[in-house]
Amino acid sequence: DVKVTQSSRYLVKRTGEKVFLECVQDMDHENMFWYRQDPGLGLRLIYFSYDVKMKEKGDIPEGYSVSREKKERFSLILESASTNQTSMYLCASSDPRGASVDTEAFFGQGTRLTVV
Amino acid sequence: AQSVAQPEDQVNVAEGNPLTVKCTYSVSGNPYLFWYVQYPNRGLQFLLKYITGDNLVKGSYGFEAEFNKSQTSFHLKKPSALVSDSALYFCAVRDMFDAGKSTFGDGTTLTVKP
Repeated sequence: DVKVTQSSRYLVKRTGEKVFLECVQDMDHENMFWYRQDPGLGLRLIYFSYDVKMKEKGDIPEGYSVSREKKERFSLILESASTNQTSMYLCASSDPRGASVDTEAFFGQGTRLTVV
Repeated sequence: AQSVAQPEDQVNVAEGNPLTVKCTYSVSGNPYLFWYVQYPNRGLQFLLKYITGDNLVKGSYGFEAEFNKSQTSFHLKKPSALVSDSALYFCAVRDMFDAGKSTFGDGTTLTVKP
C-alpha cells in the first residue's frame, strides 16, 4: 500500500516560532509538493520539488521555505510563524512520467496547523 | 498557464438519484485530468483520471467522468448517489508536458440526503 506520511496531524505553535512540517513518501516518486488548503480557496501550491535538492516556487511561497535532502523526504519550513499561516497543510507526491501508473498525486493525511 | 473551474460550490442530491459535479479546464497543451475526493479532516484521495484513450473514464466507488475536448470539460458523474458519497470533490488539470504540477479547482461540496 503506497503511502505519504506527514509527521503531525495537529500542531499548535506560537507566533514567531520556526515550524517544521515533515513529509515522507515510500513510492520512489520524483515529484513532491506542499499545498495549503483554506475554506473557499481550494488547494494552493506553496512549493514543488522535482528532484533531490531541487525546488520551485508555487503560487504562495512567501513566508515559507522547503528542504529536500533525500528523495523520500520533503520538509516545509515556516521561518517565523504568523497567525495568517493557520491552515491545513497537505503534502503530495507523484511520478512525472506521463504514462506512468502514478501520474496522479498521492496525498498525506494533512497537518492542521494553528498559530496563536 | 493552466486553470480549472468548478462552477458550483455546493451540489445537493437525493440518495438514489444521479449526480453530476462539473469541471471545466484550460491548458495550453494536451490535458491530464483528475478527480479527487476529500472526507472531513483527511487528505485527498484519487478517484479517477483521464490520460488518453476512451473519453469515458471509470474510477473508484462507481464514479465515472467524461472528457469532452470541444467543451473543455471533465464532469464527474455517478448513476445512483449514496449518502456516503457526501464529501468535498476536487478537479485537477496538468499539461502532459509539464513536469508534474497540477492545478486544482476550488472544490465542490457534495451532499447526498437520505
